[in-house]
Amino acid sequence: DTGVSQDPRHKITKRGQNVTFRCDPISEHNRLYWYRQTLGQGPEFLTYFQNEAQLEKSRLLSDRFSAERPKGSFSTLEIQRTEQGDSAMYLCASSSPAGFGTDTQYFGPGTRLTVL
Amino acid sequence: SQKIEQNSEALNIQEGKTATLTCNYTNYSPAYLQWYRQDPGRGPVFLLLIRENEKEKRKERLKVTFDTTLKQSLFHITASQPADSATYLCALGTNNNDMRFGAGTRLTVKP
Repeated sequence: DTGVSQDPRHKITKRGQNVTFRCDPISEHNRLYWYRQTLGQGPEFLTYFQNEAQLEKSRLLSDRFSAERPKGSFSTLEIQRTEQGDSAMYLCASSSPAGFGTDTQYFGPGTRLTVL
Repeated sequence: SQKIEQNSEALNIQEGKTATLTCNYTNYSPAYLQWYRQDPGRGPVFLLLIRENEKEKRKERLKVTFDTTLKQSLFHITASQPADSATYLCALGTNNNDMRFGAGTRLTVKP
């Protein structure tokens, strides 16, 4: 399968613990996005990378959140000192815009985080 | 503030009928608009893209319209089937290619 993969698929943690999620995009895609989705809502943009450069961060991304894409391939999203409000599905997407208005994003299956 | 509203939260229709979902936006100047399908516990899957200078796009049983004056997109599924039951998300794309999603409409097609 050459689609976007995410690991783990599910994570249960206690409040205050740190968690790290991984995303492997489609190999030729240069853009990688992180979203958060809660029940009944659409995906909320968190951040995105163009190759290894992090180009935009949402105000939703507090200082407890950090994302990296060290070699422009896979990416990690870390949440420090988790809070119950962090419980959500964390989605990763990748794309390779060929030009203006062509950014079709391909999503992974998501990592469901539950903070107890 | 910028808003993307999908009306309604849930839509129930009978198999064979046409489902029409709406996406309205305010304080946005989208360059393009996309529709995605999302099944429970899975990531969204891209369906159709329509640019600001296009009025209508079709793909098999799907049709999307885009009215930048009304600030609205309509998404139609003709000859609907129970397998079309899912949540449908609209997403607005801006000039720098980032996107913002609506909350989605949950469609249920009853046999």
